[in-house]
Amino acid sequence: EDQVTQSPEALRLQEGESSSLNCSYTVSGLRGLFWYRQDPGKGPEFLFTLYSAGEEKEKERLKATLTKKESFLHITAPKPEDSATYLCAVQRSGTYKYIFGTGTRLKVLA
Amino acid sequence: GAVVSQHPSRVICKSGTSVKIECRSLDFQATTMFWYRQFPKQSLMLMATSNEGSKATYEQGVEKDKFLINHASLTLSTLTVTSAHPEDSSFYICSVPDGYNSPLHFGNGTRLTVT
Repeated sequence: EDQVTQSPEALRLQEGESSSLNCSYTVSGLRGLFWYRQDPGKGPEFLFTLYSAGEEKEKERLKATLTKKESFLHITAPKPEDSATYLCAVQRSGTYKYIFGTGTRLKVLA
Repeated sequence: GAVVSQHPSRVICKSGTSVKIECRSLDFQATTMFWYRQFPKQSLMLMATSNEGSKATYEQGVEKDKFLINHASLTLSTLTVTSAHPEDSSFYICSVPDGYNSPLHFGNGTRLTVT
């Protein structure tokens, strides 16, 4: 069965304290892995797509990496405005469906 | 990526009434849209796939007579929660894929509260 597990559930960081969020997945034929940011009361905002193991994407303080079993979202020197829930999703080959993890709630303290 | 507009952002209704939520793809013609439901601190759960010009495909356990989906044009899908009950209170979000191998783009969601 396709499954996405994110850890930790919640994370509190001091401003400037770098860390990583984990997304472990099990899917029969990965078409793509997606990272989203979701602010309270809002829809998810797209961050990255990763398609194959070894691939990396960067945007400002965020860097996403992918292996055959998991993806990491690295946050370098975070700022309070990076506080949000970060969601990971996978899409299985041959389908339009996306399977979401439960997210990591990140709080960055000034 | 696709720009998605969802209305209303919040709605409060009385038990037994129906509520319609609109999802518009503003810059992309979407033959497919997805409707999700999200409970606090939980994942997005796919409710149904909305197909332009044909019937929606519902996920297992989702009552199609309660959650009516209409996708009458390439830019508009609607979700109607019929005979709403307090347990239908949730955050409903629509999304549009802007290609088969592309990410989903989401509306800003609708917070439904049934009293």
